Amino acid sequence: EVQLVESGGGLVQPGRSLRLSCAASGFTFDEYGMHWVRQAPGKGLEWVSGIDWNSASVGYAASVKGRFTISRDNAKNSLYLQMNSLRGEDMAVYYCAKSATPWGNYYYYHMDVWGTGTTVTVSS
Amino acid sequence: SYVLTQPPSVSVAPGQTARISCGGTNIAIKTVHWYQKRPGQAPVVVVHDVSDRPSGIPERFSGSKSGNTATLTISRVEDGDEADYYCQVWDNRGVIFGEGTELTVL
Repeated sequence: EVQLVESGGGLVQPGRSLRLSCAASGFTFDEYGMHWVRQAPGKGLEWVSGIDWNSASVGYAASVKGRFTISRDNAKNSLYLQMNSLRGEDMAVYYCAKSATPWGNYYYYHMDVWGTGTTVTVSS
Repeated sequence: SYVLTQPPSVSVAPGQTARISCGGTNIAIKTVHWYQKRPGQAPVVVVHDVSDRPSGIPERFSGSKSGNTATLTISRVEDGDEADYYCQVWDNRGVIFGEGTELTVL
């Protein structure tokens, strides 16, 4: 079964850091681009960041560029999101999602598998 | 930055047809995907590449595009279709989601 499981969410003070992880199983992880997508309370889906299968290309939403860093460890079948200088507006459920088609650019294909999300709360 | 415009809400009676629009500049040349999002659940792709339907998604779900508007059509709407629906494209090496449409089944 193809599965994505996020972890690392929690309560963090504004200005602090947090690292999210996404454990992948059931597919050949190192062949697929991956994404982080978030949903703030009462808001819509917002793409946060994406990364190619080989980490050659990454992208960020303007709202997080310079503060968040996406990375992956294909040997560990894992995706990460390092979040620094957290703000109240970063509070959301963060989803890890898999690009539908192997190889290629992460941004080009739809997302066919999603995790159940991990909640990040930013509050003092 | 690129913006996708969706109606905030659409209401339809069971058995009727719901149409959810998604507008954007030059969307005619873009590949559009649609996701269903229920509260507390992960998003699910219901239509990808404008009009392709993943396995397991009922034939009642279909997608189309005309001019600068893409449309998700849900035929013979059921109570279980009540959810938020988002269109999505890529632009400038990033992913863009529409604002989302809340589908209410009356």
